[in-house]
Amino acid sequence: GQSLEQPSEVTAVEGAIVQINCTYQTSGFYGLSWYQQHDGGAPTFLSYNALDGLEETGRFSSFLSRSDSYGYLLLQELQMKDSASYFCAVRELGTNAGKSTFGDGTTLTVKP
Amino acid sequence: DAGVIQSPRHEVTEMGQEVTLRCKPISGHDYLFWYRQTMMRGLELLIYFNNNVPIDDSGMPEDRFSAKMPNASFSTLKIQPSEPRDSAVYFCASSFRTGEKLFFGSGTQLSVL
Repeated sequence: GQSLEQPSEVTAVEGAIVQINCTYQTSGFYGLSWYQQHDGGAPTFLSYNALDGLEETGRFSSFLSRSDSYGYLLLQELQMKDSASYFCAVRELGTNAGKSTFGDGTTLTVKP
Repeated sequence: DAGVIQSPRHEVTEMGQEVTLRCKPISGHDYLFWYRQTMMRGLELLIYFNNNVPIDDSGMPEDRFSAKMPNASFSTLKIQPSEPRDSAVYFCASSFRTGEKLFFGSGTQLSVL
């Protein structure tokens, strides 16, 4: 099975950079995904890392290190609208390849 | 495409009643997922389908829960009888091919009184 750990809360100020970590214990997975969810909204896909290294999409970047069982989401030039919950998720290897397991989420609060 | 469409948006019912949640995935997507979200348990996968076939229903909490996907464009999640502990937001999501990127519907906020 899969086990993902994220910090429950992170606070930062507008314009700053914040990193949200995700550590996992898993027997194997295809890749690590990140989702954003605003209060009252649905999760929306942000990024996916199949390979080790950094993936950049605008102000957001995501990193994966399989050897360290670790990944992170980096948000730059924070804006008030970035206040939301952020979830990491892994997709299992093998016969259950379609199954994505989500972490408990990190609530990011951006202050002026 | 309109995205994943769920209905109803909100459902308030009394304990013991049957509840049916509906989902229309994005056209062309071959995976469909039902998730439940609560403060206590986070986002839990209940069941998922591949090409309309249920693949893993190990997350379905009890026999009171059932899900069907009669065709590629429609799925239902049914709770019968409903209980107050079923109160949660139920999300349907779909993806193309192997599911690296899930597209979620707006969810159904279910309240069982």
